[in-house]
Amino acid sequence: DVKVTQSSRYLVKRTGEKVFLECVQDMDHENMFWYRQDPGLGLRLIYFSYDVKMKEKGDIPEGYSVSREKKERFSLILESASTNQTSMYLCASSSRLTSGYEQYFGPGTRLTVT
Amino acid sequence: SQQGEEDPQALSIQEGENATMNCSYKTSINNLQWYRQNSGRGLVHLILIRSNEREKHSGRLRVTLDTSKKSSSLLITASRAADTASYFCATEPNTGFQKLVFGTGTRLLVSP
Repeated sequence: DVKVTQSSRYLVKRTGEKVFLECVQDMDHENMFWYRQDPGLGLRLIYFSYDVKMKEKGDIPEGYSVSREKKERFSLILESASTNQTSMYLCASSSRLTSGYEQYFGPGTRLTVT
Repeated sequence: SQQGEEDPQALSIQEGENATMNCSYKTSINNLQWYRQNSGRGLVHLILIRSNEREKHSGRLRVTLDTSKKSSSLLITASRAADTASYFCATEPNTGFQKLVFGTGTRLLVSP
């Protein structure tokens, strides 16, 4: 069974803390994505990666960075968390070989920054 | 923003009724996909329709695509309480990048 896992389901951090969100996929997918989801705004792409050590900015990269040192793992980093980064964070992966690039999602991490 | 929009934002029906949700998008696309999200969880892929297709079926799901109007609809027939979820359309723009642009979603509530 294909699987995308995220390191935490719920996370509470303080303003100014450095936050790491980790995502691991076991499908040998080339592409990985980080989204944030807020009510009424749908999913917005933060960063994505086509391959190890490669990263591309999405629509809302400000305040975030990413790391992809291994093919199966894609990390999202909040260098200095702020209250406006309170959100649901979703990781996804897709295969370059699958026509249509269907994405597989993790269960999400609900981050609260106080 | 290239983000698509869905209509209605929320839909409430009884079990056995049909549910129709619509999606509009802004750019030329290679394909359009629909995803479902159960409360507080990740999204699950439901169906994909390519830009050269007009209609596609999968079980109780029927998807139509009108590229001239840049719109799609998802019909769920004979709805069940278990269909209660949020539904999102996602488009793959024909820009050569392998990413999707998601709509804002429709919340569907199916009451027993």
